[in-house]
Amino acid sequence: AQRVTQPEKLLSVFKGAPVELKCNYSYSGSPELFWYVQYSRQRLQLLLRHISRESIKGFTADLNKGETSFHLKKPFAQEEDSAMYYCALSEGNTPLVFGKGTRLSVIA
Amino acid sequence: GAGVSQSPSNKVTEKGKDVELRCDPISGHTALYWYRQSLGQGLEFLIYFQGNSAPDKSGLPSDRFSAERTGGSVSTLTIQRTQQEDSAVYLCASSFGGNEQFFGPGTRLTVL
Repeated sequence: AQRVTQPEKLLSVFKGAPVELKCNYSYSGSPELFWYVQYSRQRLQLLLRHISRESIKGFTADLNKGETSFHLKKPFAQEEDSAMYYCALSEGNTPLVFGKGTRLSVIA
Repeated sequence: GAGVSQSPSNKVTEKGKDVELRCDPISGHTALYWYRQSLGQGLEFLIYFQGNSAPDKSGLPSDRFSAERTGGSVSTLTIQRTQQEDSAVYLCASSFGGNEQFFGPGTRLTVL
């Protein structure tokens, strides 16, 4: 069965510190992996997807098929990064399967 | 252009009543999705419409839940005989082909 696991419900880091939000998945096919972000009082929005291999707002994520992981990283956290982050997978235009989310709190 | 819109933004109802939630997808998007966001459960898929194909209803939690998509555009999610465990934020998303899903602001449903 498809499953996305985000082991941390809450992650607190100091401003300027590196941050890594963990995501592991189980899927038998060739999924596409995503990170979505929801800032306070805003709608859920796409942060990045593995096929684009972009860096958005300083965040990067590398798909590791051997470890079935797609961890989200940023070298220097900013206060405005505080938000709820969801890892998700899909194949083609199928519905997204989401992890339960990690709340990132960046402390000044 | 306008993004995905949903109405109402908030809905408070009494246990046992029926509710209808509306989603207006981005014009031209062929796929429409309903998800539910609740505490402790994260985001769960409910139902998915793709073009004129039969909808994928595999995520609906019970037969009290149903959805329609009229004219390949607007969608309505109906919950009959609401229960307290139906309280959640109901999110709609749309996409074109296999591209990015764009989410609406959600409808917060509270069942008393």
